Amino acid sequence: KAGVTQTPRYLIKTRGQQVTLSCSPISGHRSVSWYQQTPGQGLQFLFEYFSETQRNKGNFPGRFSGRQFSNSRSEMNVSTLELGDSALYLCASATSGGHQETQYFGPGTRLLVL
Amino acid sequence: QKEVEQNSGPLSVPEGAIASLNCTYSDRVSQSFFWYRQYSGKSPELIMSIYSNGDKEDGRFTAQLNKASQYVSLLIRDSQPSDSATYLCAVNYPGGYQKVTFGTGTKLQVIP
Repeated sequence: KAGVTQTPRYLIKTRGQQVTLSCSPISGHRSVSWYQQTPGQGLQFLFEYFSETQRNKGNFPGRFSGRQFSNSRSEMNVSTLELGDSALYLCASATSGGHQETQYFGPGTRLLVL
Repeated sequence: QKEVEQNSGPLSVPEGAIASLNCTYSDRVSQSFFWYRQYSGKSPELIMSIYSNGDKEDGRFTAQLNKASQYVSLLIRDSQPSDSATYLCAVNYPGGYQKVTFGTGTKLQVIP
């Protein structure tokens, strides 16, 4: 079974631009979570989607948004990029997102904001 | 205040020794606990999950959970250089949904 895929793998943007990242979960997984990883803050939860609905949201500004499609693929968007948005963005999928379920991470998208 | 605390390390142990990684969490309602391993430049991969007080063993790895003390640990026996990585402690909450909080990780170095 194919793992979680994320595109693009690397991205360079400038301040003020917007960016869209894509995540395809493992086949059959309907829960997709997004995380931001930085050296200083570690892995921080952004949001989780299940059946096209956002079920949980972390403490990030409204510039960070996401959506999920009927095939469980998910996108996250960051508008008005700031230097501090430079990070590794990871998505993870799970079967239904129960609190004891294992999440499987994708390889991540590394975003550099100049 | 961080919800999941880990010593950032690095923790250095000789090959063949036991590595002990510790994690404390602040929210008493936490119910699911996970240890992930992350190699440099790679994404996290699950090593162990534990939900009940006590020990859970899987090969060279043992996870220990003490909910009264809000403490979870990971022991790695017979440490190998390939175990050198950052170990992330993660906590999830009841309610049926994924909202996982990660610690900042402990970097482990196994010296040959």
